[in-house]
Amino acid sequence: EAGVAQSPRYKIIEKRQSVAFWCNPISGHATLYWYQQILGQGPKLLIQFQNNGVVDDSQLPKDRFSAERLKGVDSTLKIQPAKLEDSAVYLCASSLVLAYSEQYFGPGTRLTVT
Amino acid sequence: GENVEQHPSTLSVQEGDSAVIKCTYSDSASNYFPWYKQELGKRPQLIIDIRSNVGEKKDQRIAVTLNKTAKHFSLHITETQPEDSAVYFCAVPGGGADGLTFGKGTHLIIQP
Repeated sequence: EAGVAQSPRYKIIEKRQSVAFWCNPISGHATLYWYQQILGQGPKLLIQFQNNGVVDDSQLPKDRFSAERLKGVDSTLKIQPAKLEDSAVYLCASSLVLAYSEQYFGPGTRLTVT
Repeated sequence: GENVEQHPSTLSVQEGDSAVIKCTYSDSASNYFPWYKQELGKRPQLIIDIRSNVGEKKDQRIAVTLNKTAKHFSLHITETQPEDSAVYFCAVPGGGADGLTFGKGTHLIIQP
């Protein structure tokens, strides 16, 4: 069974530029999450999708972050414009739709904003 | 929202000894308590979880205990081995959805 795929693995941009991350969840997983992990901290939930609908985006900084999951499979997370404090690893995770199913994480995208 | 506190932030034990990491949470309605292990530069991986209808769950050298009254749960690792060295995170579902609120992590160091 293939795992959660993410690209790119690394990205370096200057502040005020824009960037986009892509995630392909495990086949059959209806629920998809984006987390932000700042160095030395635990992952922080940004947004949760079930199929192509948003379940929770209460911690997403909507003035600069956006996410979509068209067709209920792949997802993209965009930051525009980026700030220095956005430097972090962005983790995508997926799970079955059953409540409290195991969340499988992708390898993450390490973003450095200079 | 949910508040999760994890202690200690760093734990150093001799190989073969036991390690215990504790988490407290704020929402008494929480009923799912996973533990994740993250090796340096790698993704978090679930190592054990427990639901609120049981007080303890074991899987070989790893166990999790839950005290719902006190709102805390603990990870126990026995007979520690070098490959147990990693950062361990507790987590609790937040709000009405099951996106996780993570603790700040415990860096477990196994001394040879």
